[in-house]
Amino acid sequence: AQTVTQSQPEMSVQEAETVTLSCTYDTSESDYYLFWYKQPPSRQMILVIRQEAYKQQNATENRFSVNFQKAAKSFSLKISDSQLGDAAMYFCAYRSSFGNEKLTFGTGTRLTIIP
Amino acid sequence: EPEVTQTPSHQVTQMGQEVILRCVPISNHLYFYWYRQILGQKVEFLVSFYNNEISEKSEIFDDQFSVERPDGSNFTLKIRSTKLEDSAMYFCASSRGTGNRDEKLFFGSGTQLSVL
Repeated sequence: AQTVTQSQPEMSVQEAETVTLSCTYDTSESDYYLFWYKQPPSRQMILVIRQEAYKQQNATENRFSVNFQKAAKSFSLKISDSQLGDAAMYFCAYRSSFGNEKLTFGTGTRLTIIP
Repeated sequence: EPEVTQTPSHQVTQMGQEVILRCVPISNHLYFYWYRQILGQKVEFLVSFYNNEISEKSEIFDDQFSVERPDGSNFTLKIRSTKLEDSAMYFCASSRGTGNRDEKLFFGSGTQLSVL
């Protein structure tokens, strides 16, 4: 079974600075997908970014980018120019390329933005 | 963008009571899911549903739980006899189920269940 580990329960960053959230995972599969979800206080799950394991290029979405290290099974999220609206829980998630779109989530990192 | 709709947003029930959580997935989606999140913990997969039957379920999804697609639009999660530990946010999600590499999972905004 796949597991996802987020070793940072809490992180904080000054507004406009850059922060990196860590995620590692364990799988025996060679093809899969990785995601970062944002959960603000409203508790809605919002997709931030996704990475396909067969693509070597790191995904980017505006201020959000990932550092995907397949051999190390590492998938970190970098948030540049942090904004107050970025404050939320961030969950890393894994999805197999087989079967349905079931996600396995990590335990989350609470990100605080310091004005 | 199309949305997954969940009702109610909050539900309070007494221990031992039956509760039904309702979801309207996106209309052309074929795969449906329920996840739950106990306060302060990670989001956990409960069950997936495809072609009018359960395709996968977790060990959390025991005999107290059931899912149903009673008509062409709704997808429900029933908890037969609620326990205190069932208190959680329950998320419904859906996907097209095409198997394409760009497949995406859409989450609803959740139903907060409180068991007293």
